[in-house]
Parts: sequence; C-alpha cells; structure tokens
Amino acid sequence: GAGVSQSPRYKVAKRGQDVALRCDPISGHVSLFWYQQALGQGPEFLTYFQNEAQLDKSGLPSDRFFAERPEGSVSTLKIQRTQQEDSAVYLCASSLVGWAGGEQFFGPGTRLTVL
Amino acid sequence: GESVGLHLPTLSVQEGDNSIINCAYSNSASDYFIWYKQESGKGPQFIIDIRSNMDKRQGQRVTVLLNKTVKHLSLQIAATQPGDSAVYFCAEKGSTGNQFYFGTGTSLTVIP
Repeated sequence: GAGVSQSPRYKVAKRGQDVALRCDPISGHVSLFWYQQALGQGPEFLTYFQNEAQLDKSGLPSDRFFAERPEGSVSTLKIQRTQQEDSAVYLCASSLVGWAGGEQFFGPGTRLTVL
Repeated sequence: GESVGLHLPTLSVQEGDNSIINCAYSNSASDYFIWYKQESGKGPQFIIDIRSNMDKRQGQRVTVLLNKTVKHLSLQIAATQPGDSAVYFCAEKGSTGNQFYFGTGTSLTVIP
C-alpha cells in the first residue's frame, strides 16, 4: 500500500465497552509503534513491535490496553472496559528498519470517543 | 523521566519569511531527534532528523540545529509557504528503550 492505514477512522464507544483498533503498516516494515494523542498534545508512546515481537510495552497506561501483531504485519490495539479518559486519537507508525531510530511513517489515526 | 517541550505554542509568519521553531529537551543522553509536521486530521509527517553527533542538518527548505550544551533544538523553515501551516513537534529518542518523547507542539500559521 501507499502508506500506513488505520481503521476505523472514528470510533464511539460507551464506557465499559471493549474496542479494537487496527493498523496496516507499510508492507515490509519491520517496526511498528502505537501512540496515544490527546487533544492539543503531542503523541505519547504506547508500545513497540519488531516484527511479531512486542519489545516495549512500557507506555501502555493500564492492563486494559493490549496490543498484538501476530504475523509481524497487521497490528491490533485493544482497549477493554473503556473509560472516558481513553478518549484520544490513537496513532500507528511503521518503520523499515528493525530498531527504533529509523524514520517512522504515521497513519491518519483512529479518533476514539468514550461516552 | 525525559521531557521535551516547546517555547512557543503558536507562531504566525508572513508568507515568504523564514520561520524558526524552538524546542528544549531535558535528557542530555538522548541521541536522536526528529521534527514532525502534523496537519489537522492527519498523522505526523517526518520532516527532518538529526543525531547527537551533529550540530546541523539541512533538507529542502528546512534546517535543524542542535545545541547539546543547552539542550536546545530548532527547526528553520526558509521562505515559509501557506502549505507549511501546521503543528510542528520535536521528538526525542529516549536514552534507553524504544520510546520517542514528543513535545506539546507549536502551531505555525502562515499569513498570505
């Protein structure tokens, strides 16, 4: 594909619902990142994958957040029992190189609103 | 923990003028920095990067300067155009691990 794609672009959830956000990275990209961006703020790191291995999940705010990339390509960020403070834009980025210092290409994000 | 901040939340410039966006970082051990541009409704777009063993790096119409002594990073945009209007973020790679730390952002408005 031409770039990183994310779906859905917008998601409205009632408090307590589970949500799943999908990221399709650029084909062949080894590294994949998830970020959370609150309104008017810069993105905040959530987690990092190198192929299918989740090498860093130190940014996940709670055990309600879970990410996976089982085949080293598509990734899913799951949020269980959503809370209002989870409302944010969730960004996915991929990088060709297998370490965190390469150029990251971002998707358009999924805007999550928890009511 | 590490933090990255920006001096000015907003910046307005006349079309054709040069723009300078500043960023301060706190971790002297950080070794890699990136400037991103984010337009409304879109993800951040890579502009230019610099490693800590460099003081200056130039791209097309953009220059990044790194002053490690005062832990300061700047982005210079030459001949600013209306299409440059966006929020600009600096990001710092942490000294350990794989995390990038983003600043709050500077909103650049180019006045035609």
